[in-house]
Amino acid sequence: QAVLTQPSSLSASPGASASLTCTLRSGINVGTYWIYWYQQKPGSPPQYLLRYKSDSDKKQGSGVPSRFSGSKDASANAGILLISGLQSEDEADYYCLTWHSGAWVFGGGTKLTVL
Amino acid sequence: QLQLQESGPGLVKPSETLSVSCNVSGGSISSSDYFWGWIRQPPGRGLEWIGTMSYIGTTHYSPSLKSRVALSVDTSKNQFYLKLNSVTAADAAVYYCARHEAVSATGYYGMDVWGQGTTVTVSS
Repeated sequence: QAVLTQPSSLSASPGASASLTCTLRSGINVGTYWIYWYQQKPGSPPQYLLRYKSDSDKKQGSGVPSRFSGSKDASANAGILLISGLQSEDEADYYCLTWHSGAWVFGGGTKLTVL
Repeated sequence: QLQLQESGPGLVKPSETLSVSCNVSGGSISSSDYFWGWIRQPPGRGLEWIGTMSYIGTTHYSPSLKSRVALSVDTSKNQFYLKLNSVTAADAAVYYCARHEAVSATGYYGMDVWGQGTTVTVSS
């Protein structure tokens, strides 16, 4: 079982909110982990969005709009990227990242479609 | 503003060594505030961390690639390097260099600045 699992795709409407999940493998408690989020558009490198550990321990990437925010769902053992006020330009692949057992691990990515 | 730019061979033959460099501009690689990493992305697939190092040589490698990877740095050129030996078709990917913000002498956060990437094809 992968360390980080992301749904392969998600669709949402312009102006709506999208909640992207990054579920940690059973036995790994999301509460103690930093979760990082990246946005990647076709033909471009990933862009750092934010990192989140708790509401008091988080950091937005430089120039990243506040409509991108991070949180956790402890009951689901997942990190969450919330994008509010969806815009067509938010259509992209989104990856989560964490440090586990001495290695950086990426989730498989979620393709967000805004339609 | 810090910028990273990868340079690579484009094409590498199977069983040979892949060498990629990353030029750091707009900042010094010899800063204890940062670590420097490599990530790759096979065509149409997700991201894979390769390894990360500091300018003084502290290194962390992906367990799956550790036996074939070597990272190095040339502070006089403000560049750092990736070597991956015994390449196969599975190593074909876009290779990215990236910056990590340091937390301590040995700890650091995830990647926050990325280069544009360089495409490496493996073929005879």
